[in-house]
Amino acid sequence: EAEVAQSPRYKITEKSQAVAFWCDPISGHATLYWYRQILGQGPELLVQFQDESVVDDSQLPKDRFSAERLKGVDSTLKIQPAELGDSAMYLCASSFPREGDPYEQYFGPGTRLTVT
Amino acid sequence: AQSVTQLGSHVSVSEGALVLLRCNYSSSVPPYLFWYVQYPNQGLQLLLKYTTGATLVKGINGFEAEFKKSETSFHLTKPSAHMSDAAEYFCACYSTGNQFYFGTGTSLTVIP
Repeated sequence: EAEVAQSPRYKITEKSQAVAFWCDPISGHATLYWYRQILGQGPELLVQFQDESVVDDSQLPKDRFSAERLKGVDSTLKIQPAELGDSAMYLCASSFPREGDPYEQYFGPGTRLTVT
Repeated sequence: AQSVTQLGSHVSVSEGALVLLRCNYSSSVPPYLFWYVQYPNQGLQLLLKYTTGATLVKGINGFEAEFKKSETSFHLTKPSAHMSDAAEYFCACYSTGNQFYFGTGTSLTVIP
C-alpha cells in the first residue's frame, strides 16, 4: 500500500540552528500539506501545495520557515533559525484529486522536532 | 470562518462499553467532516468522512458517525470498545474555499 514518507522521524537541534524536513507524497497526489502539531493539540496547517505552487501559506511564519516543492513531487520544510517554541510534530499529508472535493488526506508518520 | 470543537479532551470507557466522542463544527457553508485516529508517535489515519448523501457514515474498525445539520454535530460512536481503540481522535472540517481545521483532539482510554 502506498504511503507518505517523511524523514527524519526524530530530530534534536539547538536553538538558532537550521533544520530541514523532507516529505515524499503518494505517487500521483497533486496536493501536499505541511502541518505542525504541538503536543496535546490538533494539527495546524502551515502550507499547502497544489503541484509546485503554494495554495495557502497564511499560517507559515515566513520570517523563519520556508517550504518548497520544486518539481511538484517531494517537498522540504525548513526552519532557520529554530526556536524553543518550534518543538512539535511536523506532519506531511497528501491528497487526490487535483481540485474540487478534498477527499481524505493521507498522513505520513511525522517528524518529531525537539529544540534545546 | 469555520472551526471544530471537541467536547472532552479525555474520555475513559470500559472494554465492551459504548464509545461516544463528541464533535461540533461551525461553518457558514455545508462542510465536509472527518474523523482521524492517531496512535503515539504516528501520523493520522482516516476513520471515516462525510461529504454528501447519507448522514450516517460507517468507517473502519467498527466506528460510525452521524452528521446532524440541525445540531451542527458529527459525533463518533462505536458500540463496543476494544483495548486497541485507545488512541487520540481528531475531528476535522473542510469547506470549499477554506482549509482543513482540526479539533484539539480527544484522548480515549479503554479500561480492561
